[in-house]
Formats: sequence, C-alpha cells, structure tokens
Amino acid sequence: NAGVTQTPKFQVLKTGQSMTLQCAQDMNHEYMSWYRQDPGMGLRLIHYSVGAGITDQGEVPNGYNVSRSTTEDFPLRLLSAAPSQTSVYFCASSYLASGQETQYFGPGTRLLVL
Amino acid sequence: GENVEQHPSTLSVQEGDSAVIKCTYSDSASNYFPWYKQELGKRPQLIIDIRSNVGEKKDQRIAVTLNKTAKHFSLHITETQPEDSAVYFCAASNGGTASKLTFGTGTRLQVTL
Repeated sequence: NAGVTQTPKFQVLKTGQSMTLQCAQDMNHEYMSWYRQDPGMGLRLIHYSVGAGITDQGEVPNGYNVSRSTTEDFPLRLLSAAPSQTSVYFCASSYLASGQETQYFGPGTRLLVL
Repeated sequence: GENVEQHPSTLSVQEGDSAVIKCTYSDSASNYFPWYKQELGKRPQLIIDIRSNVGEKKDQRIAVTLNKTAKHFSLHITETQPEDSAVYFCAASNGGTASKLTFGTGTRLQVTL
C-alpha cells in the first residue's frame, strides 16, 4: 500500500489563482479529512468526509471546496487563493473497526500565496 | 464548537524522567481523544488514543488518562528517551472517529541527555 499520498509537495500561487490539492489513499478507508497547520496554532479541520458522496464542513471551510466521488480520492480546491491561505495542508484517512482506529496522515502540501 | 486547550506549550525533561502533557476540552459530547507526535518537517503520527468509555490506556512507555467529569485528558511518557523529542498534539472529537478532530496547540517536548 502507498498509504496516503498528496500532490503537489510544494506550490506557489498568486493571489486570486485557483488550484486543487490532491489526496489519495489505497487502504479503502471510509473517513478522510483535510487540515491546515499554521505555526503555533496546531491543526485545524477544513472539510471531512465519512464516505463516498458525503462531505461536511470543519472549523475553517471558507475559501475551500471538496468532493468525494470515490473512496480513494478527496481533492481540496482553493477557489481564489489569498495570502491567509499560506499554510501546510495535511490530508488524513482513517478506518474504525472493533473500536480500534487506524489513521494515517499524508506527507503534506506546503502552499505559499503571494 | 469544541475548544481544546493544551499545556504546557514547551516541556524540557532529562532522559529517563517522565513527561506529562495535559489537555482540557469544552464539548461534553466529545467521545474520542487521540494524541499525535510530530517531528520537525514531518506529518503527525497517531501514537495513542482513548474513548470516553475508558479511563486509562497504556502502550509500553505511553499512557493516556481521561477524566470525563472534569473534561480533561493527559498523556504520560515514562522513561523518556532523546527520540521522544517532538511536538505532541492532543485532539478531541464528538463523532467517535478521527475524521472530525479539534486539535490543541501542541507541546514541544525536549528530552535532554
């Protein structure tokens, strides 16, 4: 298994540009989430999904869209990039069975918005 | 919404000593409490978790305790080693899974020789 993969690893955008951060997992996990991590603020939940076709907003959803058309993929779209969206973005997937949670984070995407 | 506070923000211990990190949460409906370790420039890694029907859980040198009445939970690391040096995050979820987490702001643990 490749685990959770994220592309790109690093991206520079200009204010107003749009882009999609890709996230894929090959573990058949039903739960997937997107977080952003800013210095001194821990991780904050942007959007999450509990299965294909089901998504919901997290703590900081404004400026981001998601979709979950397949179990494997959970792309995050930035509609019109702003400098405040400069951050490290982590995708995570998890699976719950018999009360035991298995969770993996992707390697992260470092985004700089100028 | 949920609010998770984590203390201390930095912690320095000598190798072999114990380290304790504490978190409080605000939403009484929260029922899943994981802890993560993050080394510099790397992704968070789940190290231990506890659910609201359990008061304590251990995994080798790591243990987590939960006090639902007081709405706080703690991470205990015994016999610390230099490789334990990292940033540790607590988190809470009212969905019973790791899909919808509110994180604390992190504790930077430094284990000195």
